[in-house]
Amino acid sequence: DQQVKQNSPSLSVQEGRISILNCDYTNSMFDYFLWYKKYPAEGPTFLISISSIKDKNEDGRFTVFLNKSAKHLSLHIVPSQPGDSAVYFCAASATGGSQGNLIFGKGTKLSVKP
Amino acid sequence: EPEVTQTPSHQVTQMGQEVILRCVPISNHLYFYWYRQILGQKVEFLVSFYNNEISEKSEIFDDQFSVERPDGSNFTLKIRSTKLEDSAMYFCASKGPAGIINEQFFGPGTRLTVL
Repeated sequence: DQQVKQNSPSLSVQEGRISILNCDYTNSMFDYFLWYKKYPAEGPTFLISISSIKDKNEDGRFTVFLNKSAKHLSLHIVPSQPGDSAVYFCAASATGGSQGNLIFGKGTKLSVKP
Repeated sequence: EPEVTQTPSHQVTQMGQEVILRCVPISNHLYFYWYRQILGQKVEFLVSFYNNEISEKSEIFDDQFSVERPDGSNFTLKIRSTKLEDSAMYFCASKGPAGIINEQFFGPGTRLTVL
């Protein structure tokens, strides 16, 4: 039962270009979405989030877009840098009436080549 | 910058033994969580804890698991009788004040190996 899906297990991008990571969800109760970055042997590090009342949130090189009708969100990184190479997890929560437990996708491994 | 810490970083145990994984959440946070990630799989929610009690738990969090906040700083996960399939990375996370939608901050994880 994959409520949060990241269908691309890996993505390779040239330094300086845009990286686009995609995520789909099935549960219409989700109203808060987050992207985490994870290096091997470390915990997930929060990157950026978006509430369902918005369709875009930007923070420096990172922008998250939310399309509620398609139950789809994407993370854009521009320009991509070699230090961005990591596994990126999409996560979702249904905050109303709960403690916001996160449901994670399987992750996309991003490789940014110099 | 405040961070979530976890000890030990790696725990090796024999099947059937009890283990306690320890976490120190960020000091002014009120919500606490445990997640786990089996090698090659996604991060899975185990349990959330608020106001000194479990608020939600997943199917994974059966009677072999328990959580405790024994003092004002520590948050522990106990596995009473470990099984081979409990081998995983266990992540603690914490979140800020009630009523504010905000992100969860994760610790570096404890790698549990059950032999």
